[in-house]
Amino acid sequence: GAGVSQSPSNKVTEKGKDVELRCDPISGHTALYWYRQSLGQGLEFLIYFQGNSAPDKSGLPSDRFSAERTGGSVSTLTIQRTQQEDSAVYLCASSPSGVGLDTQYFGPGTRLTVL
Amino acid sequence: DAKTTQPPSMDCAEGRAANLPCNHSTISGNEYVYWYRQIHSQGPQYIIHGLKNNETNEMASLIITEDRKSSTLILPHATLRDTAVYYCIVRAYSGAGSYQLTFGKGTKLSVIP
Repeated sequence: GAGVSQSPSNKVTEKGKDVELRCDPISGHTALYWYRQSLGQGLEFLIYFQGNSAPDKSGLPSDRFSAERTGGSVSTLTIQRTQQEDSAVYLCASSPSGVGLDTQYFGPGTRLTVL
Repeated sequence: DAKTTQPPSMDCAEGRAANLPCNHSTISGNEYVYWYRQIHSQGPQYIIHGLKNNETNEMASLIITEDRKSSTLILPHATLRDTAVYYCIVRAYSGAGSYQLTFGKGTKLSVIP
């Protein structure tokens, strides 16, 4: 079936604006993860969903970042009052159960540029 | 979390085996070693994982030392499409029900024609 999809693929915004990034996980996957990757850096974990709940939000860098997941499927990552340091590629991954050691499958990412 | 150490870059001739090393000297008994790769401008791609025994799949082989303090990912016949950053990851359990992956800087593998 289809893999993880993310939209938009690219987003350019002005400092101070709010942005929403969308992730469509693989159908049937209950676990969903958000990561971000700044230029030349490794991936940084942001938040994890099991179904619609987020038991681990430890990676969110500030209260300007929030995420939700509805219907156990689509997730939206919202960044309010964007700052230039928010510029990065935001990656979403899903896995079948989120427990044990099931494999995470990544989407292509959304490249966010804050001017 | 156990940490991993990888060389920042490696070159490999096309058609030859690429051997990518990883040190994870503080790995604990129930932690697995995972390998992902990231081709430029794409999301990370799962390659292989293992605990103690050597593993092989259609993409690669994973050799884990007996003391589990290091491992080697082997791409048996590297092609130009294998040029990517390869990440060695020890699977962490955060305690909050999350099995997030902790990525380091990885090894940039360049396959040379």
